[in-house]
Amino acid sequence: DVKVTQSSRYLVKRTGEKVFLECVQDMDHENMFWYRQDPGLGLRLIYFSYDVKMKEKGDIPEGYSVSREKKERFSLILESASTNQTSMYLCASSPGGRGGQPQHFGDGTRLSIL
Amino acid sequence: AQSVTQPDIHITVSEGASLELRCNYSYGATPYLFWYVQSPGQGLQLLLKYFSGDTLVQGIKGFEAEFKRSQSSFNLRKPSVHWSDAAEYFCAVGVAGGGNKLTFGTGTQLKVEL
Repeated sequence: DVKVTQSSRYLVKRTGEKVFLECVQDMDHENMFWYRQDPGLGLRLIYFSYDVKMKEKGDIPEGYSVSREKKERFSLILESASTNQTSMYLCASSPGGRGGQPQHFGDGTRLSIL
Repeated sequence: AQSVTQPDIHITVSEGASLELRCNYSYGATPYLFWYVQSPGQGLQLLLKYFSGDTLVQGIKGFEAEFKRSQSSFNLRKPSVHWSDAAEYFCAVGVAGGGNKLTFGTGTQLKVEL
C-alpha cells in the first residue's frame, strides 16, 4: 500500500512566522501535490511537482512556496504566515504519466495561525 | 478547463437505506473520474475510479458508480448504508495529458441516522 506521511497532524504558529509542512511518500511516485481544504470549498490545489526540483503553481499559490529536493519529499512553505492561512493541508502523490492515475493522500495537517 | 459539481452539500439517510450521491462534470472529452471518502480528521481514501470501458464501476466498501456520458454524471451508489459510512464524499475529475492533476468537487457530507 502507498503510504503518504505528513509530519504533523496539528500545528499552531504565530502570524509572520515561516512555517514548513513536510510530506514523504514511500512509493517512488513522480507526482506530488499540496492542497488546502476549507469547509464548503473542497480541495484547492496550491502547488504540485512532477519531478525532483520541478514545480508548478496550482490554483491558489499566493503566500506559499514549495521545495522538492528528493523524490520522496515535498515541502510546503508559508513564507510569512497569516491568519487566513489557517486551514487543513493535505499532501498527495501519484505515479507519473499522462493522466488517469489516482492520487494517494496523507492524513492532513490542521494548521492554526494565531 | 474541467469542473465538477456536487449539488448536495448535506445528505441524511437511515441506516439500511439506499444511497445515491450526485456528481456532474464538465469536460469536452471522456474524463477520468474518481470518488474519494474522508472520515473526520483523516485524509482522502479512494473508493473507485473510472477510466474507460464498462460504465458501472465497483469499488471498496460496497460502493458502485455509474458513468453516464449523456448526462455528464458519475453518481455514487450503495444499496444499504451502514452507520460507519458517515463521512464526506468527494468526486474528482482528471484529464488525459493532465499529469494526474485532479479537480475536486466541494464534497457531500453524509449523515447516517440509526
